[in-house]
Amino acid sequence: DIQMTQSPSSLSASVGDTVTITCQASQDITNSLNWYQHKPGEAPKLLIYDASNLETGVPSRFSGSGSGTDFTFTISSLQPEDIATYYCQQYDNLFTFGPGTKVDIK
Amino acid sequence: QVQLVQSGAEVRKPGASVKVSCKASGYTFTGYYMHWVRQAPGQGLEWMAWINPESGGTNYAQKFRGRVTMTRDTSISTAYMELSSLTSDDTAVYYCARRRLYCDTAICSDAFDIWGHGTMVTVSS
Repeated sequence: DIQMTQSPSSLSASVGDTVTITCQASQDITNSLNWYQHKPGEAPKLLIYDASNLETGVPSRFSGSGSGTDFTFTISSLQPEDIATYYCQQYDNLFTFGPGTKVDIK
Repeated sequence: QVQLVQSGAEVRKPGASVKVSCKASGYTFTGYYMHWVRQAPGQGLEWMAWINPESGGTNYAQKFRGRVTMTRDTSISTAYMELSSLTSDDTAVYYCARRRLYCDTAICSDAFDIWGHGTMVTVSS
């Protein structure tokens, strides 16, 4: 099974800050990685697919990069509505989500 | 618009079974696989299984094999997830999610693009 790790597990930042989350796979998954946003009481939302492609309708302040085992997710200017937990997810071999990163406003 | 509407919250006793439904609208139901994902209280997202609504074919995470059954009724564009031998560890919100799979020669793009609102299943004696 492919294991996914994320860091940090939580962070607090100010509005307008750049926020970076890292995700690591236990083996090479090329670019088979997606990022989701999950707000309490809502359905998860796809933000980034194939490591770096922005889903239609998602604001351009969200971006992703990386390949192989190491990936990065960035919010370039944090907004109050970005308060959520963010998950990476691999699809190279079945499907595994990372443990999540909770993002808060300072 | 494209949406997935799930059945309402359920309460079950340990050892019982639960069946959750997910009704699709706004797209061709048989054209996209359906995933099931759950989130236990205070925990992250956990993939459980997918079903191919066209063929009925399924693939289950090892952890749930033998205890989960995915079915569908194409006449009403609805997918079902049944989980048996419930324990308190199965208390969670269960989501269905549409699988957007696109392959070009040997390269595939695969994402969960539309999600249901979730169904809370509580297992308690």
